[in-house]
Amino acid sequence: AQSVSQHNHHVILSEAASLELGCNYSYGGTVNLFWYVQYPGQHLQLLLKYFSGDPLVKGIKGFEAEFIKSKFSFNLRKPSVQWSDTAEYFCAVTSIYNQGGKLIFGQGTELSVKP
Amino acid sequence: GAGVSQSPSNKVTEKGKDVELRCDPISGHTALYWYRQRLGQGLEFLIYFQGNSAPDKSGLPSDRFSAERTGESVSTLTIQRTQQEDSAVYLCASSPGTSGYNEQFFGPGTRLTVL
Repeated sequence: AQSVSQHNHHVILSEAASLELGCNYSYGGTVNLFWYVQYPGQHLQLLLKYFSGDPLVKGIKGFEAEFIKSKFSFNLRKPSVQWSDTAEYFCAVTSIYNQGGKLIFGQGTELSVKP
Repeated sequence: GAGVSQSPSNKVTEKGKDVELRCDPISGHTALYWYRQRLGQGLEFLIYFQGNSAPDKSGLPSDRFSAERTGESVSTLTIQRTQQEDSAVYLCASSPGTSGYNEQFFGPGTRLTVL
């Protein structure tokens, strides 16, 4: 069965620090990859997605993620975090053969940015 | 435009009682998904609906859980004889289709507490 692992459960950074959140998935076939973010008191929303092509994808608010097929990874990065990036981040995957497009989520990483 | 809405936002119930959770998807979205998020865990797929096709119930944890959807509109998730382990946030998402390439738009969730 597919699974997604996020290695960091809680990350605390100071403003302007660089961010990298790890995500690994277990499925060996062709997958679509997503990062979702949930800001305090808000809905879960899409941050960025990878389907095919350039493995470095850019999302909203200066975030980017790199798909490394050989490592089954899709790590999220941001060069300089802001206090407003405080949120919970979820990595998710769906197989292109996964009927219905249901998402398999990681456990989430809570990011706290100190002003 | 209006996003996905869910009601109630919070529900506290006693063990053994039945509860009904409601989801209003984005108008025109043919696909509707239910997920569950238990404390400290990622989102767990429960069920999805696509148009008038038979729903994929493969994620429902027990026969106490059921869901209905009328056409491409409102969906209700019913939990019978609730147990304490059912306590979680129940999230609904809708999508223009069930391809793995479609973004899912999430509602605010219903926080269910079973005493």
